[in-house]
Amino acid sequence: SQQGEEDPQALSIQEGENATMNCSYKTSINNLQWYRQNSGRGLVHLILIRSNEREKHSGRLRVTLDTSKKSSSLLITASRAADTASYFCAKVTSYDKVIFGPGTSLSVIP
Amino acid sequence: EAGVVQSPRYKIIEKKQPVAFWCNPISGHNTLYWYRQNLGQGPELLIRYENEEAVDDSQLPKDRFSAERLKGVDSTLKIQPAELGDSAVYLCASSRPGGDQPYEQYFGPGTRLTVT
Repeated sequence: SQQGEEDPQALSIQEGENATMNCSYKTSINNLQWYRQNSGRGLVHLILIRSNEREKHSGRLRVTLDTSKKSSSLLITASRAADTASYFCAKVTSYDKVIFGPGTSLSVIP
Repeated sequence: EAGVVQSPRYKIIEKKQPVAFWCNPISGHNTLYWYRQNLGQGPELLIRYENEEAVDDSQLPKDRFSAERLKGVDSTLKIQPAELGDSAVYLCASSRPGGDQPYEQYFGPGTRLTVT
């Protein structure tokens, strides 16, 4: 699909563990963004990584980008129950088109 | 700063009826987006505005959907007539100017539409 894939679709971990989510894409991108969505709420921006960047950090979040593999990963370290949410990557193509993936549903068990 | 405001939050209508959603973006944000999100899916872009101009409406079903952004601030998305398959959450987002790439977006809470 044009959206590419995110995996896993669902992830369940214990509090304190790390969570890794992956995002792949098919067309070239200008930047890639990660968002979080709590149940029944709007999306919240987490991190933006540009196509010429390989890694970015924000607090307990670490995003990597591998343009040769057309993939990105979001790592959440030392997870908390409050991290329970759906996580989406949004690809911004070279034509400035914004394409969201289907998301990963993360459950952090206290 | 105040966030993106959307109204109504919930709307239930019968099929074939019209419906409209309103969005007020963050002050100073010249880019405005409308998305549709089905249950368990990611948001699907319907239309993107740069100021008053619709720069990407390729995914907007133009036979029944219309949108406007008068004066480059508030925006309205309309469906007429609504169909059962239009039941979804309609999200509005805005982003600030600067740079030559779509920047991070700030989302409103969405309008949950149920068509019966």
